[in-house]
Amino acid sequence: DIQMTQSPSSLSASVGDRVTITCQASQDINNYLNWYQQKPGKAPKLLIYDASNLAGGVPSRFSGSGSGTHFTFTISSLQPEDIATYYCQQYNALPPVTFGQGTKLEIK
Amino acid sequence: QVHLQESGPGLVKPSQTLSLTCSVSGGSISNGDYYWSWIRQHPGKGLERIGYIYHSGRTYYNPSLESRVIISVDTSKNQFSLKLSSVSAADTAVYYCAREGFGVKYFDYWGQGILVTVSS
Repeated sequence: DIQMTQSPSSLSASVGDRVTITCQASQDINNYLNWYQQKPGKAPKLLIYDASNLAGGVPSRFSGSGSGTHFTFTISSLQPEDIATYYCQQYNALPPVTFGQGTKLEIK
Repeated sequence: QVHLQESGPGLVKPSQTLSLTCSVSGGSISNGDYYWSWIRQHPGKGLERIGYIYHSGRTYYNPSLESRVIISVDTSKNQFSLKLSSVSAADTAVYYCAREGFGVKYFDYWGQGILVTVSS
């Protein structure tokens, strides 16, 4: 299976900060990379699909980039409601999909 | 708006079979553009796809669970189900059902999740 390595595993930032999370794939996955936000006690929510496409209704402060093996997820200006755990998910190696281990984002 | 809702026992005894159902509303499970998936999350851990089913009945199972998993679909009820046999404490997790895109494989609609504890 393709392994997805997210970093950092946790981070603390202030409201208004620019936040960046990376996801490294163990092999080339083209742009087949999605990002999710999970708040405590809730199901994950799709934010970004195909590396850089914003899902419907998702605020524009969220963005994604990358291709191949290296991907980046960015929050341009952190808001209090963005506190959550973020996961990347690849789907290049069909049919298995795999998720990263998650990045827990906290307010400083 | 598509809505998914898991149902089933929250407590299962070791060695028994975990059985969950996902009821889908706001969209037809027979829509050929989607797979219907089960995903689980161990307490405090990441996400693991258990498998999926297509409306035709075609399935995929995670190889790590394949010998114990059956996913089935009832298009007349707009439901799909999960059975996981011979459970142990390692199967304690929140179980989610989700809609999975057929081409672009993202999970765009999720149930709220159901915590299943395996304990005697």
